[in-house]
Amino acid sequence: DAKTTQPNSMESNEEEPVHLPCNHSTISGTDYIHWYRQLPSQGPEYVIHGLTSNVNNRMASLAIAEDRKSSTLILHRATLRDAAVYYCILNNYGQNFVFGPGTRLSVLP
Amino acid sequence: EPEVTQTPSHQVTQMGQEVILRCVPISNHLYFYWYRQILGQKVEFLVSFYNNEISEKSEIFDDQFSVERPDGSNFTLKIRSTKLEDSAMYFCASRERVNTEAFFGQGTRLTVV
Repeated sequence: DAKTTQPNSMESNEEEPVHLPCNHSTISGTDYIHWYRQLPSQGPEYVIHGLTSNVNNRMASLAIAEDRKSSTLILHRATLRDAAVYYCILNNYGQNFVFGPGTRLSVLP
Repeated sequence: EPEVTQTPSHQVTQMGQEVILRCVPISNHLYFYWYRQILGQKVEFLVSFYNNEISEKSEIFDDQFSVERPDGSNFTLKIRSTKLEDSAMYFCASRERVNTEAFFGQGTRLTVV
């Protein structure tokens, strides 16, 4: 089963920042924290991943707690196209990704 | 931008028939996966493949399922005798190395009637 805990759903207003939390209290030292999202009727899409340090890319930022037991995906300016299910997944050395139910993000215009 | 390509996008088959779902992973990737998602449910892992052999498989991946990388570019999932409960979206994924990101295809919707 998935080793992460996420809220079932969140809402955001368009053009505002969104902080999606994830708890992973049993994370091991070699687990990477991956975030994927799934838009309706599409395959999962990579968002960002990291090990210990905070990460930024063109899509989002990943803030990792110092003890690594939680992380937050930050979308800096939500758009309607960001409405999706967001998955936080721990992954280690090429193992398969275990998807939980994720967080369904709704973006209101 | 490189992408994982899956064909067909939709396949309808009769119960008991064999189906082959095809995937073209990104060319320099070494790790390959199949997942499925029954309508309204979670994405479920089926099998992973590395160095021309299965590296991990789930309980779902029973003797009815097989995978192959026949020619160094395609990666196929075969279901030997389809059941109604095999109806789902099937996603292929690939990644370059361990601990890199995975890229997923857009999926094949399999409908068994």
